[in-house]
Amino acid sequence: QSVLTQPPSASGTPGQRVTISCSGSSSNIGSNFVCWYQLLPGTAPKLLIYRNSQRPSGVPDRFSGSKSGTSASLAISGLRSEDVGDYYCAAWDDSLSGWVFGGGTKLTVL
Amino acid sequence: QVQLQESGPGLVKPSQTLSLTCTVSGGSITSGDYYWSWIRQYPGKGLEWIGYSYYGGRTNYNPSLKSRVTISVDMSKKQFSLKLSSVSAADTAVYYCAKGISVVPAAWSWFDPWGQGTLVTVSS
Repeated sequence: QSVLTQPPSASGTPGQRVTISCSGSSSNIGSNFVCWYQLLPGTAPKLLIYRNSQRPSGVPDRFSGSKSGTSASLAISGLRSEDVGDYYCAAWDDSLSGWVFGGGTKLTVL
Repeated sequence: QVQLQESGPGLVKPSQTLSLTCTVSGGSITSGDYYWSWIRQYPGKGLEWIGYSYYGGRTNYNPSLKSRVTISVDMSKKQFSLKLSSVSAADTAVYYCAKGISVVPAAWSWFDPWGQGTLVTVSS
């Protein structure tokens, strides 16, 4: 059972906008930054978003992150077939003094 | 551009020690700007942070694994390693190594890049 809660799946058609949610508590998302990671089949996991909404260089601006209270969201606009994969949120947990992750959301492009 | 590559046995017997190595290329392993971490992904796909080490030896482990985990950095080989003792089938997972960006507080950090991962199965 993951500490952060994500929907197990999400889907959209090419060009659509999809949002993936991540819910936590006051000891993690509520008091710390959120990161998002993309796991595509056969490739190394990739950092998509750090510090709630910052994009590393090379990450398209189709990906955006936000946080409110104890929840966070990843939005993907202009959905493409190459976006198919698993998406995970992560945050530092003050109770654990370490990192916690969501259970992952499998994105399908219809 | 730093790249990471995991290596080690893909099969470990129950009660034995799982040992993995992550080789760092394209950058320094001794920079105080980074820490070196292990994360695993269960077959059911959930991710679990295992722990991290700075090159100077300071470590931080997941409390649920702390009694069984050792992460260490070998500067001469540009590698860092994971040792997990007394393994059971519950430790079967894909193990990833990752570079953490060292900021204060650590809660403001993130992992980038990651290795491709290596599957370790615990079975007799």
